[in-house]
Amino acid sequence: KAGVTQTPRYLIKTRGQQVTLSCSPISGHRSVSWYQQTPGQGLQFLFEYFSETQRNKGNFPGRFSGRQFSNSRSEMNVSTLELGDSALYLCASSLGLGPDYGYTFGSGTRLTVV
Amino acid sequence: AQSVAQPEDQVNVAEGNPLTVKCTYSVSGNPYLFWYVQYPNRGLQFLLKYITGDNLVKGSYGFEAEFNKSQTSFHLKKPSALVSDSALYFCAGSYSGNTPLVFGKGTRLSVIA
Repeated sequence: KAGVTQTPRYLIKTRGQQVTLSCSPISGHRSVSWYQQTPGQGLQFLFEYFSETQRNKGNFPGRFSGRQFSNSRSEMNVSTLELGDSALYLCASSLGLGPDYGYTFGSGTRLTVV
Repeated sequence: AQSVAQPEDQVNVAEGNPLTVKCTYSVSGNPYLFWYVQYPNRGLQFLLKYITGDNLVKGSYGFEAEFNKSQTSFHLKKPSALVSDSALYFCAGSYSGNTPLVFGKGTRLSVIA
């Protein structure tokens, strides 16, 4: 079966712009989580969606937002990009809410802000 | 606040030797603990998890981890390292089944032929 698909794989944006990243979970998975990975901070939790509702949110500014659609696909948006937003953004899908069901990660979107 | 720590940024081991990648946790209640591996330009791959039961957990690719409640540790081990085990390893934890994972900062494992 198809894995977790994240698009695009690579992005280069300019400071002040906004960006939208997409995540298509494994068929039948209803939960999508987003993480930001940077060399200095490791993996930081952004948010988790289940059945189109945000269930958990990490400690990120309001410039970071997300949503989940009825087909479980999820998008995250970052507005007014800053250089520090450069990172690998990982999406993970799961059958249910929380890691106990088992997360499957996508390959990520590498965002570079210049 | 719950946290997971990986005290070593880098671990080097010779091929064929046993390897250990260390992880300690600070999670209230009964912890859910996980190990993931990341290869270059890839997402994270699940290796194993501890939720309850035997303290020794066996996972993928010959890896195992031992849950030690008194030392609040969950070290990843493998009896005989392979060059192909070289990757970035993450320990992660949660204090219940429906809260997000908190990750350690990762340990880069290099297995030298």
